[in-house]
Parts: sequence; structure tokens; C-alpha cells
Amino acid sequence: DTGVSQNPRHKITKRGQNVTFRCDPISEHNRLYWYRQTLGQGPEFLTYFQNEAQLEKSRLLSDRFSAERPKGSFSTLEIQRTEQGDSAMYLCASSGGTGVNTEAFFGQGTRLTVV
Amino acid sequence: AQKVTQAQTEISVVEKEDVTLDCVYETRDTTYYLFWYKQPPSGELVFLIRRNSFDEQNEISGRYSWNFQKSTSSFNFTITASQVVDSAVYFCALSEAHGIYAGNMLTFGGGTRLMVKP
Repeated sequence: DTGVSQNPRHKITKRGQNVTFRCDPISEHNRLYWYRQTLGQGPEFLTYFQNEAQLEKSRLLSDRFSAERPKGSFSTLEIQRTEQGDSAMYLCASSGGTGVNTEAFFGQGTRLTVV
Repeated sequence: AQKVTQAQTEISVVEKEDVTLDCVYETRDTTYYLFWYKQPPSGELVFLIRRNSFDEQNEISGRYSWNFQKSTSSFNFTITASQVVDSAVYFCALSEAHGIYAGNMLTFGGGTRLMVKP
């Protein structure tokens, strides 16, 4: 297993278009997280899945954002009607097990530019 | 609410110098986890350390060492004999220690960009 994989690595889109990102976590990791990182800032939590259940959503996740994790494996993050303020790096992380002794492993992110 | 502050936005040192990255946190939780991550230019966050709030013992790993002081709510990170490969953005982070989010739903600081010059 090569770690958390995110696709695409870069996405340029016109304002108003919809975009979808994919995250493939480390195999058998039951926890999956999405974070957003704007230039010069630290990552900010967006949402959390345990298996296929979305258990937490940040207030940053407006109704234009939707995340899914069908079958508890890969996850998708969709942004509808993109705005320039959505330009950021979108990071996915996964962790495994039921305890707290497994740290989250991050992917390399998808950099979104809205023009 | 949780908050992590990294007052140093950018630090520049010459190779082989020691450098300390500061981290101050705020939380109402009595138990929590503290983390340091490294983000090289490739963008992937690399886990460096997790510290339980119950364990105030300082830790050393090779050239890296961490100083946790609960009394001042600080978790500072020192790199000894810095190398050019240490150049990256370093993030301090905080998470709660109980419940379904324990250890993984992180509140990050703004990061410190470390530049190590040859």
C-alpha cells in the first residue's frame, strides 16, 4: 500500500462549475477526514467519516459542498457552483482501528484554483 | 473552543544551527493530544510526533526534540544541527483525547516556514 492517494493533484476550473475530488485511503482504514488548506494557513477540518457514515461536518462545509464515502472505502468531495474563495488545497487523511493509537496519514492533496 | 498559535511565521537559519519552533495552545479539555507535522514542498503532511497531555516528559528522536510544558500551554519543537532537508513548513496541532474523534480531528496552527540555508 502506497499511502493515501488523492486525485486529481491539480484542478483549474471556471467560477460556477462543479468539481469532484477523490480520495483513496490506506486499505482497511475505517476513518477518513477531509481538510482544506488555504495559502499560508494551517489545514482546517471539513468532515469526518467512520466507515460509510459521515459523523461530523464543519460549519466551513457550506451546502455547496458534499462528501460521500460509499461502501466505506474511497471518498469523494464535490463542490458545486465553485467560487473564487474555494481556491485551496484539499487534503484527505485516513486512520485505522478503534483506538487512538493510530495517527492520521495524509495524502498529497488536490490543489483547486477557481478562475 | 480549541486554538493553536504559532507566532513565528518564518524562520531562516544556516545549516548546522539549532532552531526552536514555538507552539502555544488553548483548550478547555483536561485531556488532549498535541502533534507536530512537517509539510515539505510536495504538500503531504508528514507526522512527526503525538503527545498525550498526561505525559509531560520531553522526547528526543535523533536531531528532533520536543518540550511540552502544560503550565504554559506550550509544545515547542527543536531541531538540532539543522540540515537543508529540514526546510519545510511545520505545523503544531491539537485534538481531543476522548470520543469518536479522539486523536484525529485536528486543530492546526498557522504553521512556521523553516528555511535552512547551506
